[in-house]
Amino acid sequence: AQTVTQSQPEMSVQEAETVTLSCTYDTSESDYYLFWYKQPPSRQMILVIRQEAYKQQNATENRFSVNFQKAAKSFSLKISDSQLGDAAMYFCAYSGQGAQKLVFGQGTRLTINP
Amino acid sequence: DTEVTQTPKHLVMGMTNKKSLKCEQHMGHRAMYWYKQKAKKPPELMFVYSYEKLSINESVPSRFSPECPNSSLLNLHLHALQPEDSALYLCASSHPSGTSYNEQFFGPGTRLTVL
Repeated sequence: AQTVTQSQPEMSVQEAETVTLSCTYDTSESDYYLFWYKQPPSRQMILVIRQEAYKQQNATENRFSVNFQKAAKSFSLKISDSQLGDAAMYFCAYSGQGAQKLVFGQGTRLTINP
Repeated sequence: DTEVTQTPKHLVMGMTNKKSLKCEQHMGHRAMYWYKQKAKKPPELMFVYSYEKLSINESVPSRFSPECPNSSLLNLHLHALQPEDSALYLCASSHPSGTSYNEQFFGPGTRLTVL
C-alpha cells in the first residue's frame, strides 16, 4: 500500500521569506500523481499544485513550486515571497494511475509571521 | 462553474435524529466522494461514486448511507449517529480514474455536531 509522510507537523516563516515543506512517499507504481492541497482555517481545501510522475520537469504555479525527486520518492513544496494568506494546513497527497483514492500525508501547519 | 457546494454549513443533531447532507457540482465530473475530517487530521475517505454507482465503501458503519441521485448530486443520509461521528464532512468531485486530470475538487464541508 502507498504511504505519504510529512515529517514537519508545524512550520513558521517570516512574511516575504521562502519556506519549503517536505513530503516523502512510498509506492511500487511507476505512474502516479502527486498533489499539494492547502486548507486555511475554517475554509475550503484547494489544490495548490500537481505533478505527474512521468514528467521530469518540476511543476510551478506562481509563487509555488515543487522539487520532485522520483528516485528518492520526495515531493517538497517551496513557497516564495510568503504572504499572510498562505497560512494554512498543507497536505501532500498521492494518487495512483487509475486509482480513485487519494492517500494523504498527516499535514503541515504553516504559520506566517508578519 | 468550478465549485463544489455543500449544504448545510453546520448541523447539530441528536443521536436519534435523521438528517441528510447534500453536495452538488456542475463541472461535469463523474466521480464524487465523501470524506470525514477530524480536527488537525487529513480527510478520511468514506465513499466513492463513479458514474453514479457506488465503487468504494471504506467499511463505513451503516448509520451513514450515501446516495447519488444523478451525476451532479451526492447525498449522505445520517441516522442514529454517535458523538464520535462529530466532524467536518467533505464532499469532493473529479474526473473518473483513468483520465489525465484526476485531481479532486473539494467543497467547503458540513460541520456536524452530534449531541
